[in-house]
Amino acid sequence: DQQVKQNSPSLSVQEGRISILNCDYTNSMFDYFLWYKKYPAEGPTFLISISSIKDKNEDGRFTVFLNKSAKHLSLHIVPSQPGDSAVYFCAAHLYILTGGGNKLTFGTGTQLKVEL
Amino acid sequence: KAGVTQTPRYLIKTRGQQVTLSCSPISGHRSVSWYQQTPGQGLQFLFEYFSETQRNKGNFPGRFSGRQFSNSRSEMNVSTLELGDSALYLCASRPVGIHKDRRNTEAFFGQGTRLTVV
Repeated sequence: DQQVKQNSPSLSVQEGRISILNCDYTNSMFDYFLWYKKYPAEGPTFLISISSIKDKNEDGRFTVFLNKSAKHLSLHIVPSQPGDSAVYFCAAHLYILTGGGNKLTFGTGTQLKVEL
Repeated sequence: KAGVTQTPRYLIKTRGQQVTLSCSPISGHRSVSWYQQTPGQGLQFLFEYFSETQRNKGNFPGRFSGRQFSNSRSEMNVSTLELGDSALYLCASRPVGIHKDRRNTEAFFGQGTRLTVV
């Protein structure tokens, strides 16, 4: 049961244009959503997050939009730069009441390539 | 401040063997989670430890186990290795473990251990 889905395995964008990465989820109990960026041979690094009570969060070139009714979020990168080429993972956070603890459920990732 | 450290970086094992991977969280972080990354499957949650106790567990067979020490360092063990266990194993740490706290949502990842089973 894939609770977090990234349906586009890859995306190619020209430098300077907007990159839009999409993510869908099924569990309405998720309370935070996060985007991670991963280069080959490195661990994922945190990019930006959004609370489930918000619909937009912006940090420099990165903006995340959340549509709760559609259970959909997207990451916008403007303008896209060659250094943004990486795999982007969408993740959804759940706080586990029983026993405490936290769980991040990840999507399968989208490979972004920003071309010159 | 040092990041999350995982050792070893690369490992080659034979089917049927067992393996132990190690993770040292960021200083002061008390929660450690483990993930498996395979092509096309994204990051699959294995388990989370806080205060030397397993708090959550993903859908993996009992061959996958872990533990956490009093200094928050964690180890993950896989017994009776199968070819399908070949993957990148990632460890992530968080500042606190059991509180519903904004600081707990972001996990900081190590570089991972690349395990190849032949």
